[in-house]
Amino acid sequence: SQTIHQWPATLVQPVGSPLSLECTVEGTSNPNLYWYRQAAGRGLQLLFYSVGIGQISSEVPQNLSASRPQDRQFILSSKKLLLSDSGFYLCASSRGSGNTEAFFGQGTRLTVV
Amino acid sequence: LAKTTQPISMDSYEGQEVNITCSHNNIATNDYITWYQQFPSQGPRFIIQGYKTKVTNEVASLFIPADRKSSTLSLPRVSLSDTAVYYCLAPLGGGYNKLIFGAGTRLAVHP
Repeated sequence: SQTIHQWPATLVQPVGSPLSLECTVEGTSNPNLYWYRQAAGRGLQLLFYSVGIGQISSEVPQNLSASRPQDRQFILSSKKLLLSDSGFYLCASSRGSGNTEAFFGQGTRLTVV
Repeated sequence: LAKTTQPISMDSYEGQEVNITCSHNNIATNDYITWYQQFPSQGPRFIIQGYKTKVTNEVASLFIPADRKSSTLSLPRVSLSDTAVYYCLAPLGGGYNKLIFGAGTRLAVHP
């Protein structure tokens, strides 16, 4: 099975500061990669997904961007954080080609103050 | 898009069997149905996946009728530790890669 490494576990950032969350995957090659955000008590909102290096699809217009510089590395960034960017961020990986078995990291709880 | 619909919440008691049904009227011919479990402050965890009829593993059973427009996750003899949110997932067909989760079902197991 795949292992998803995601860090940090918690993060408190001031409004207007930059953000960089990194996710790396072990146990597979050429995976599909995903970034989700989850507000308290709510479902998972798909932010970005990637089917290959340099290929990023954005699902929701927002203050965030994603990059995939290597096959098993996925980065979520922001140049200037907003209060509304607070939430629980999850990175996930799947084998792609419509395979719906996904593996999730432990998540990063971001609080923008 | 194979949109899924589940009950928002369910309550049960320890030792009971719990059945959570998900409707996915527009599921494509080649799509599998997948269920996940999520505990607070953790990422979702894959539970079970099926295409048709019945699938069983050590955690749950998944029942899918012939028309595949719905599926039912069955948790036998739940315990307090089964309190979690359960998501049904049925993506776009044709090998599409986007995984969109619905709101899920919040299951509360009581003593």
